[in-house]
Amino acid sequence: AQSVTQPDIHITVSEGASLELRCNYSYGATPYLFWYVQSPGQGLQLLLKYFSGDTLVQGIKGFEAEFKRSQSSFNLRKPSVHWSDAAEYFCAVVNTGNQFYFGTGTSLTVIP
Amino acid sequence: ETGVTQSPTHLIKTRGQQVTLRCSSQSGHNTVSWYQQALGQGPQFIFQYYREEENGRGNFPPRFSGLQFPNYSSELNVNALELDDSALYLCASSAQTGGLVETQYFGPGTRLLVL
Repeated sequence: AQSVTQPDIHITVSEGASLELRCNYSYGATPYLFWYVQSPGQGLQLLLKYFSGDTLVQGIKGFEAEFKRSQSSFNLRKPSVHWSDAAEYFCAVVNTGNQFYFGTGTSLTVIP
Repeated sequence: ETGVTQSPTHLIKTRGQQVTLRCSSQSGHNTVSWYQQALGQGPQFIFQYYREEENGRGNFPPRFSGLQFPNYSSELNVNALELDDSALYLCASSAQTGGLVETQYFGPGTRLLVL
């Protein structure tokens, strides 16, 4: 069965610092992986996705993620965090039925 | 803005009542998925509709049911509401082609409170 683990419930970083949010997945076949961001009271906005090919994926707002099959990971990174990046971040794995399975999310706080 | 709209934005019901939530897909999308997001949790897959047929279901009881209409809009119905049904309900649409995985675009959600 497919599942996603986001080990960090909450992360605090200083504005301008680098960021890495962890995501580990469990899936029997080639995974399709997504990162979404959710601001308070809002729906989910797509940041980036991995289907195949280059394991380093670029997304919006300066985010990138690296797929590592050997570690079953798809970690999200940003070199320099902005205060507007404060939000909840969700990693998801998708099965071939196009059904998304989300992690429990990582809440990001950005301090000045 | 994803083009996916949901109504209402907020709703308060009491235990035992029934509720209908609505979703309008992004133009050109033929698939709608519904998710329940409890406070502090990630979205949980309820079910998916593709061309008006249910196309997969998560671990939710039969009192959660849905419909998809010819214009690809959708409804989520929940009967016999329970306190634990209080959550944000998210609708996502996608353009399915030949069973391939496609990006889902989410609406803003309907927040349901059951008292």
